Amino acid sequence: DSGVTQTPKHLITATGQRVTLRCSPRSGDLSVYWYQQSLDQGLQFLIQYYNGEERAKGNILERFSAQQFPDLHSELNLSSLELGDSALYFCASGPDTGELFFGEGSRLTVL
Amino acid sequence: AQSVTQPDIHITVSEGASLELRCNYSYGATPYLFWYVQSPGQGLQLLLKYFSGDTLVQGIKGFEAEFKRSQSSFNLRKPSVHWSDAAEYFCAVGAYNTDKLIFGTGTRLQVFP
Repeated sequence: DSGVTQTPKHLITATGQRVTLRCSPRSGDLSVYWYQQSLDQGLQFLIQYYNGEERAKGNILERFSAQQFPDLHSELNLSSLELGDSALYFCASGPDTGELFFGEGSRLTVL
Repeated sequence: AQSVTQPDIHITVSEGASLELRCNYSYGATPYLFWYVQSPGQGLQLLLKYFSGDTLVQGIKGFEAEFKRSQSSFNLRKPSVHWSDAAEYFCAVGAYNTDKLIFGTGTRLQVFP
């Protein structure tokens, strides 16, 4: 158990819809990272938040957004969903030493 | 450019055989290096990490890795593979207070009895 909690574990939705993925980081970690894992793109960094502030952006689409709340949990919002957005979405947290601890992921299927 | 290369997409070994998974990196600053393992349908679990000091690091599940600065490599090894080691292995590079880890494309390990 990494200490990072993600919900939901699975969700199935239709194209054009919007979903929200939730993440609770490990106790004491201020940073939250979101990654997308798909068969064709591998593990892609989306965005990082540090203590409520956006710190770094990766390959995140404009249809996607995230935020980190005062209690440090984070949400990733995916809108106008397309078939190609089907993937595993991981949240991770970690200390300043750079190592990341990953949640078990949210598997999104867009039909 | 910062990158991680895992040249082997898929490796098959017999149970009890030794294992070496290759990882090469390109990183401007002093790198922190990591190996993660992902079992099917699971998240990524940290196997081991290198920050500084002794270039041979020990991890969980009997794995070790050696940092070779001259070769920009951080290969993962295990002397005797168990069937339960079948999984996907990812090498990653970062730095202190980094904004992200950069992951390789992964090596899928298959173990035959």
